Amino acid sequence: QVQLQESGPGLVKPSGTLFLTCAVAGGSFAKTNWWTWVRQPPGGGLEWIGEIYHSESAVYNPSLKSRVTISLDKANNQSSLRLASVTAADTAIYYCASVHYYDSGAYFEIDSWGQGTLVTVSS
Amino acid sequence: SYELTQAPSLSVAPGQTARITCSGDGLSKQYAYWYQQKAGQAPVLVIYKDKERPSGIPERFSGSSSGRTVTLTISGVQAEDEADYHCQSTDSSGTFWIFGGGTKLTV
Repeated sequence: QVQLQESGPGLVKPSGTLFLTCAVAGGSFAKTNWWTWVRQPPGGGLEWIGEIYHSESAVYNPSLKSRVTISLDKANNQSSLRLASVTAADTAIYYCASVHYYDSGAYFEIDSWGQGTLVTVSS
Repeated sequence: SYELTQAPSLSVAPGQTARITCSGDGLSKQYAYWYQQKAGQAPVLVIYKDKERPSGIPERFSGSSSGRTVTLTISGVQAEDEADYHCQSTDSSGTFWIFGGGTKLTV
């Protein structure tokens, strides 16, 4: 089972851009899987951010779509998350996950999660 | 917008059965998923496709669905089951993930 590791700055200034990467360790990211990003504010619930497939088609949470970009770096076997115009409400633990969909997307299983990385938005 | 509703907390004694529910209009049409999240750790998928258990998840975890309500049942609850449990489904198109607010299970 591959391991996922999120990385990036732990502190971002308000109105700035959050940039995180999710790298694979111990193997290769399955080309049949989606790279999925989820976040969780301190003491709060989970929120799906979006995901990207190996063909580089991405889907985003409508509530974040205007500010978020998920991309793939195939050469380095990693995914990136960019979130623009951040505010304190974007303070959260950000997770990436490897998701395999079945039956043309009817259901899925999660192959692995990263441990998450805390990003604080503060001046 | 579509929402999933969970009770914020549930307390059960060791050895008893915990039933955690999640309700939402779309649950009669879309599959539900359940995640266990222990303090300071990443979520772990414990149920997918309403009632299927991923490999490695103990048999005491089971899922069921009835109309607009899905239920995660933990039989013979153990101290190690103390965690937050999050339900998740998708919108009507099956594209966007939606999470419930989570239920804190105290054992």
